[in-house]
Amino acid sequence: DIQMTQSPSSLSASVGDRVTITCRASQGIRDKLNWYQERPGKAPKRLIYDASRLQSGVPSRFSGSGSGTEFTLTVSSLQPEDFATYYCLQHSAYPYTFGQGTKLEIK
Amino acid sequence: QAQLLQSGAEVKEPGASVKVSCTPSGYTFTTYLLQWVRQAPGQGLEWMGIINPNGGSTNYAPKFQGRFSLTADPPTSTVYMQLSSLRSEDTAVYYCATKGDVEFWGQGTLVTVSS
Repeated sequence: DIQMTQSPSSLSASVGDRVTITCRASQGIRDKLNWYQERPGKAPKRLIYDASRLQSGVPSRFSGSGSGTEFTLTVSSLQPEDFATYYCLQHSAYPYTFGQGTKLEIK
Repeated sequence: QAQLLQSGAEVKEPGASVKVSCTPSGYTFTTYLLQWVRQAPGQGLEWMGIINPNGGSTNYAPKFQGRFSLTADPPTSTVYMQLSSLRSEDTAVYYCATKGDVEFWGQGTLVTVSS
């Protein structure tokens, strides 16, 4: 299985901050990586697919980059509704695998 | 508007089986692969498996091999997820979701395993 190592596991930041979350794959996955936002009691929401493509309807302050084994999700200016948990998912090879998650908290 | 409707919450005893349905609407049943993801209380997201409703081919995470199955029923446009030999660690919210350029999720089904 491809292991996805996500860092940091938690992050404290303030409204307006720029934050970056990283996912590393145990082997190359081309650009087959998605980013999700998860809020308690709600279904996960895909923000970015195929490493850098912004899901329709997602604010442009979210962006993704990377290829191969290293990927980043950046939020350019945090808004109050962005405080949530974020996950990466590789969909290059079965079984697909999620990162462990990054909990983004208000400082 | 396309959506996925899942069946309601279930409470099961250890050792039992559970079957959760996922019914797409607003698009042709065979258009998208359907994957299943679960989230145990306080835990992260866990990918379980995927099915192609067009033909029924499947791929499962090794962790669930042997007690997990996905089936598609084209006449009713429904996909079923069955998990057997339930244990307390299977208590989780189970989601179905499409896979593709368009991705949407069901509302989730809480499965509680308790004696």
